[in-house]
Amino acid sequence: AQTVTQSQPEMSVQEAETVTLSCTYDTSESNYYLFWYKQPPSRQMILVIRQEAYKQQNATENRFSVNFQKAAKSFSLKISDSQLGDTAMYFCAFMKQDAGNMLTFGGGTRLMVKP
Amino acid sequence: DAGVIQSPRHEVTEMGQEVTLRCKPISGHNSLFWYRQTMMRGLELLIYFNNNVPIDDSGMPEDRFSAKMPNASFSTLKIQPSEPRDSAVYFCASSPRTGGGYEQYFGPGTRLTVT
Repeated sequence: AQTVTQSQPEMSVQEAETVTLSCTYDTSESNYYLFWYKQPPSRQMILVIRQEAYKQQNATENRFSVNFQKAAKSFSLKISDSQLGDTAMYFCAFMKQDAGNMLTFGGGTRLMVKP
Repeated sequence: DAGVIQSPRHEVTEMGQEVTLRCKPISGHNSLFWYRQTMMRGLELLIYFNNNVPIDDSGMPEDRFSAKMPNASFSTLKIQPSEPRDSAVYFCASSPRTGGGYEQYFGPGTRLTVT
């Protein structure tokens, strides 16, 4: 079974600064997908970014980028130029290939962006 | 598209009562997932359907929980009888199809309180 670990329960960052959220996972699979989801106070789960394990290039989406280290089984999320609207819970998630799109979630990191 | 629709958004019921949560997935999506979110246990996958067929219900906590998907556009999660420990936010999510690492699109959730 896969496990996903987010070791930082809470973090804070000043507006306009950069913050990195950590995620590690454990799997014996070689092909899989990794995701970061954001859950703001509205509780709506929103996809932030997605990474295919077979791609060496790190995914980026505007101010959001990942540092994917396959050998280390690490998948961190970097948020640049943090904005107040980035305040949310962030969940890292793992998906096996050909596993019915099932996700295994980490415990989440609560990020507070301060003005 | 309206996204994944869940109803009700909030439900308050007394212990022992039957509770039915409803979900309408995004049109054309073949996979549907039910999750439960609590502070103690985080996000847990309860059950998932592919093409209206339950594929994995290993996350369903006990026989008091049941889920159905009578057609491609509707699913229910029923708790009978409900208990205070069932209090949680229940999410429904849908995905275009299995394989390929397609993201899950989440509904707004139903906050259930059992007194």
